[in-house]
Amino acid sequence: QVQLKESGPGLVQASETLSLTCTVSGFSLTSYHVSWVRQPPGKGLEWMGRIRSGGSTDYNSALKSRLSISRDTSKSQVLLKMNSLQTEDTAIYYCTRLGYGSYWYFDFWGPGTMVTVSS
Amino acid sequence: DIQMTQSPASLSASLGETVTIQCQASEDIYSGLAWYQQKPGKSPQLLIYGASSLQDGVPSRFSGSGSGTQYSLKISSMQTEDEGVYFCQQGLKYPLTFGSGTKLEIK
Repeated sequence: QVQLKESGPGLVQASETLSLTCTVSGFSLTSYHVSWVRQPPGKGLEWMGRIRSGGSTDYNSALKSRLSISRDTSKSQVLLKMNSLQTEDTAIYYCTRLGYGSYWYFDFWGPGTMVTVSS
Repeated sequence: DIQMTQSPASLSASLGETVTIQCQASEDIYSGLAWYQQKPGKSPQLLIYGASSLQDGVPSRFSGSGSGTQYSLKISSMQTEDEGVYFCQQGLKYPLTFGSGTKLEIK
């Protein structure tokens, strides 16, 4: 079955770089797009960016200057790197699979990983 | 970016009651609308996509409708397991954007 699982440090210092890994199973990264979505505690959801099945990337313009998404297909992993972290980046970070049926939607989600940015 | 406005922000319903949640897009999204349910401490789960298509495994008491800029999610008979936060999301244009959520509780 389709599964996604995020991993990474729970605590990061302000101004440093966040690195998260999403390990997927049950589908191929060369067949589906994968996105990162984040959710500050008690707040709404923000789409961060995606890596397409072909390997190209798209980012939310609000994060584009700080964000990088890549993948290692041999390990079925998607990697997120975001620099210059601030306390406002404290959030649960979700890895999601993008489904498409004329429109884009998130059909599978990982359990999420909480990242706290400490000043 | 397309803005998504959800209403109400919160509501409470009795068991068996019909519940409706609204979502308005800032421009026509041509039925490119999805709904998610999020329970405390869990990740969101897809309920509806394409405005009205039910995701596999989702109970038939959930239904979606709408067109243009106005959409709604209906729960035909509220159950205890339906408590949670519901989000809408537009899937027409990037960046994909979400509504702010509706918290649904049992009365």
